[in-house]
Amino acid sequence: DTGVSQDPRHKITKRGQNVTFRCDPISEHNRLYWYRQTLGQGPEFLTYFQNEAQLEKSRLLSDRFSAERPKGSFSTLEIQRTEQGDSAMYLCASSWGDSAYNEQFFGPGTRLTVL
Amino acid sequence: QQQVKQSPQSLIVQKGGISIINCAYENTAFDYFPWYQQFPGKGPALLIAIRPDVSEKKEGRFTISFNKSAKQFSLHIMDSQPGDSATYFCAARLRDRGSTLGRLYFGRGTQLTVWP
Repeated sequence: DTGVSQDPRHKITKRGQNVTFRCDPISEHNRLYWYRQTLGQGPEFLTYFQNEAQLEKSRLLSDRFSAERPKGSFSTLEIQRTEQGDSAMYLCASSWGDSAYNEQFFGPGTRLTVL
Repeated sequence: QQQVKQSPQSLIVQKGGISIINCAYENTAFDYFPWYQQFPGKGPALLIAIRPDVSEKKEGRFTISFNKSAKQFSLHIMDSQPGDSATYFCAARLRDRGSTLGRLYFGRGTQLTVWP
């Protein structure tokens, strides 16, 4: 399967713990996006990388959140001191090229439950 | 503040019928409008997309109608099938301007159920 992959698919954690998610984009895609989706809502933009550079961060991305994309390949999203409000599906997407019209391909997501 | 407003929240259609989902926006800096389809446990997948320089785009049973002056666009699914049962999201992307490139704003979604 050459699509976007995310790991883990599900994560249950206790409030206050740190969690880290991984996203592997489609090979050679230079752009990588993180979105968060809560129940009954559409995905909300969190952050965006072009190659290894993090170009934009949403105000939704508090100081407890950090994302990296070393070497412009896979990306990690870490949430420190998790809160119940962090429970959501975390989606990763990737695209190729310089045009804003290039399709974003989404992964299956990581569902986070904070107890 | 919801940048893209989508309705209805849920839709039930008989097999063979037409499903219509509507979206509206205010920001005239949007210049790309994709529709995504999402099945349970899966990420959204691009269904069809349109730019505001055309009023309609058709791909198979799926058609986007775009009204630039009204800042509205809609998805029409002709001959709806049970396999179309999914959640549909409209979205919009800002015109290319530096660091905002690529960010998508999604509607809240429409859960479509097609009865056999």
